[in-house]
Amino acid sequence: DQQVKQNSPSLSVQEGRISILNCDYTNSMFDYFLWYKKYPAEGPTFLISISSIKDKNEDGRFTVFLNKSAKHLSLHIVPSQPGDSAVYFCAANFGNEKLTFGTGTRLTIIP
Amino acid sequence: DAGVIQSPRHEVTEMGQEVTLRCKPISGHDYLFWYRQTMMRGLELLIYFNNNVPIDDSGMPEDRFSAKMPNASFSTLKIQPSEPRDSAVYFCASSFGGRGVGETQYFGPGTRLLVL
Repeated sequence: DQQVKQNSPSLSVQEGRISILNCDYTNSMFDYFLWYKKYPAEGPTFLISISSIKDKNEDGRFTVFLNKSAKHLSLHIVPSQPGDSAVYFCAANFGNEKLTFGTGTRLTIIP
Repeated sequence: DAGVIQSPRHEVTEMGQEVTLRCKPISGHDYLFWYRQTMMRGLELLIYFNNNVPIDDSGMPEDRFSAKMPNASFSTLKIQPSEPRDSAVYFCASSFGGRGVGETQYFGPGTRLLVL
């Protein structure tokens, strides 16, 4: 039972445009959400997070939006750069250190 | 800091053989996690430790998998006997936790396991 879902396995975006990665979750107990980025042959690295008491968190070119009623979050990257090409994992957590990850979305930025 | 260290980086073995994956967490971190990455299921948490004690092993697939953390700087994940369906990338991660929220986990580079 996949509690965190990333329904788009891949996404291609032109350099300079906006990249939008989506994530849905089913467990209403989740109260903290994170995005990780993964390059080939490396481990995932933390990118940005958001608490359930907020609906937006911004860090430079990266913004995460949370819609609790829809159980949906998204990651916006503006403007997209070639170095953003990677696999992005959405993750969720409640009350402890355990993270539940999605299956990932491979983002390709086209120069 | 060197980050989370995993060894070996690649492992090719034959079905039925024992496989041992190793992990050294970041010094001072009190949580250690073992994950498995596959195309179909993404990143799955297998087990995690707090202060060397296993807290949740509900993700361990079956009895063929076992994990230990004999001290704060070393952990192993063992598969015995290995099967082709165990082929995946295995990640170790560590964090300094305790707030009960998703503290940032730092991942190692992973071990790519192929069971023939």
